[in-house]
Formats: sequence, structure tokens, C-alpha cells
Amino acid sequence: KQEVTQIPAALSVPEGENLVLNCSFTDSAIYNLQWFRQDPGKGLTSLLLIQSSQREQTSGRLNASLDKSSGRSTLYIAASQPGDSATYLCAVKGRSNYGQNFVFGPGTRLSVLP
Amino acid sequence: NAGVTQTPKFQVLKTGQSMTLQCAQDMNHEYMSWYRQDPGMGLRLIHYSVGAGITDQGEVPNGYNVSRSTTEDFPLRLLSAAPSQTSVYFCASSYLPLAGVSPGELFFGEGSRLTVL
Repeated sequence: KQEVTQIPAALSVPEGENLVLNCSFTDSAIYNLQWFRQDPGKGLTSLLLIQSSQREQTSGRLNASLDKSSGRSTLYIAASQPGDSATYLCAVKGRSNYGQNFVFGPGTRLSVLP
Repeated sequence: NAGVTQTPKFQVLKTGQSMTLQCAQDMNHEYMSWYRQDPGMGLRLIHYSVGAGITDQGEVPNGYNVSRSTTEDFPLRLLSAAPSQTSVYFCASSYLPLAGVSPGELFFGEGSRLTVL
């Protein structure tokens, strides 16, 4: 059964810092991995999707990398801003569990202080 | 762009009452799913569908029913609500992944907050 963990559970940084969020998964037979952002009381917003054949994806100040062999993905946020404060979740779509479905990590709660 | 639309946004029920959470998407996605999100438990899959007429159970299906009569709609029914079903419910949809055509990116609705007294 695929299990997804995220470290740290919470992170507080001053504005302007570069930071890295970590996502680990136990079954490397994945189809893709997706990073989401969730603001309090809101739904999940897709940030980046990395297909299993890719090593990284970039969107603005965000860069996500994928290392299937080690079961890890990182989300790099450059020059953090208070507006980046949210919970960040990663999810993996497996080839071997539930067929079409994603398994989610518990999330990292990020606070960027002005 | 509407995307994934959920109604209602908030609902309070008494134990034993029934209700339906509505989910509609306008992206012609084959795959639709329902999750519940609880503090400390993360997102857990309730039911999913890979096309009209096809549904299957996820991780926590007990107490919930679904149907998929059209591509656009995927309602979630609570037949006899229990306090344990107090949660935030999310509907999500995507194209089925197809190499070279679709990566299967998942899109979420804004959620429906349900309280069962």
C-alpha cells in the first residue's frame, strides 16, 4: 500500500527566505506526483505536476523535483512572501494501488512572516 | 471558468437524516472522486468513478453512496447521517492519464463543510 509522508509538518520562516518542502512515498511505481496548495477553509489548488518520466517542473518561484528511485520529491520556493503562507500537500498517482487514484500526504503548514 | 463546482458549501444535519452533496465539472473529465478531510487524518478517498455508469469504492466508503449517470455530475449521498461523518468533503476530477496526451492532473472543488449533530 502506498504511503506518503511530508516533512516538516509545519515551518515558519521570515519573508525572503528560500525554502524546501519534502515529500516521501513508499512505492516507487508511480505515474505522476502533484503538489497542491490549500488556504484555510478553501479547496486545493494545483501548483505543479511531475510525470514519472520527468525530473523537475518549474512555475515562477516554484520548482518541484522528483527522484523515483529514492521515493522523494521536493518543492523549492524561492524568495518566500507572506502570501505563500498556506498548507502544501503532495499526492502520488500510483500504478499499483486503486488504479487511477491519488494518495495524499498530510501536508506541511507554511507560515511566512513579514 | 467554472471548473469543479460543489454545493452546498455548508450544511448542518441531525443524526439519521439523509442528504446529497452535489458535484459538477465542465471540463469533460472522465475521472471524478470524493474525498473527506479531517484534522490529523488528511485526505481520504471515499468513492471514485472513471466514467459514466462506472463507480468504485475508495478507502472509506461506508455510509456513502454514489452514482454517475452523466460525465458532468457525481453526487455523493449520505443515507443516514452520523456524527462521525462531520467533515469537509471535496470533489475532484481529471482526465484519465494517457501517455503523451494527458498527465491526469487533478482539480478540486471548493469543498462542502458538513456538520452532523
